[in-house]
Amino acid sequence: ETGVTQSPTHLIKTRGQQVTLRCSSQSGHNTVSWYQQALGQGPQFIFQYYREEENGRGNFPPRFSGLQFPNYSSELNVNALELDDSALYLCASSTGTPGAETQYFGPGTRLLVL
Amino acid sequence: EDQVTQSPEALRLQEGESSSLNCSYTVSGLRGLFWYRQDPGKGPEFLFTLYSAGEEKEKERLKATLTKKESFLHITAPKPEDSATYLCAVQAPGAAGNKLTFGGGTRVLVKP
Repeated sequence: ETGVTQSPTHLIKTRGQQVTLRCSSQSGHNTVSWYQQALGQGPQFIFQYYREEENGRGNFPPRFSGLQFPNYSSELNVNALELDDSALYLCASSTGTPGAETQYFGPGTRLLVL
Repeated sequence: EDQVTQSPEALRLQEGESSSLNCSYTVSGLRGLFWYRQDPGKGPEFLFTLYSAGEEKEKERLKATLTKKESFLHITAPKPEDSATYLCAVQAPGAAGNKLTFGGGTRVLVKP
């Protein structure tokens, strides 16, 4: 059983550019959540996808968008990058069953915006 | 709005010196409380899920407990490899996308 994978591991962009981050969910999982983790802080929820539909969103502007594909992999797109977007971006997958469900995290993508 | 506060922010322990980490939470109903371990530059690693007050779970030197307002992560006789940031998160009914709301974490350093 493979775990959650993310690519790339590191990325450097300049302010105003656009970036796409990718995530492959754990085998058997149909739900993907994205989180942003600034240095020294806990992760903040961006949004979640369940069976290719957005299933909830945190307090992030519309320039943060996402997709989920039929194989349940996912992309996070960020347009018009700002310096404050520099962070570790985490993807987590889960089974999508009702009730409390454990989310399993990938290794993250470290984004630096200059 | 769901809130999670962890204390202390940082903890320095000698090898073998047991201690406890606190996670206080405010939610409108609790679906589950989660503990994760995070090593520097890596993603959080799942440790425990607690569902109701009075529940306890153990794994090696770690034991998590839950009350109606807080959770504790007890580290018994820690070793240097227990050094990490420990994150607590809550999931509430009706939360957008079954999101996890995290605390700021407790950075634990165990010195040999």
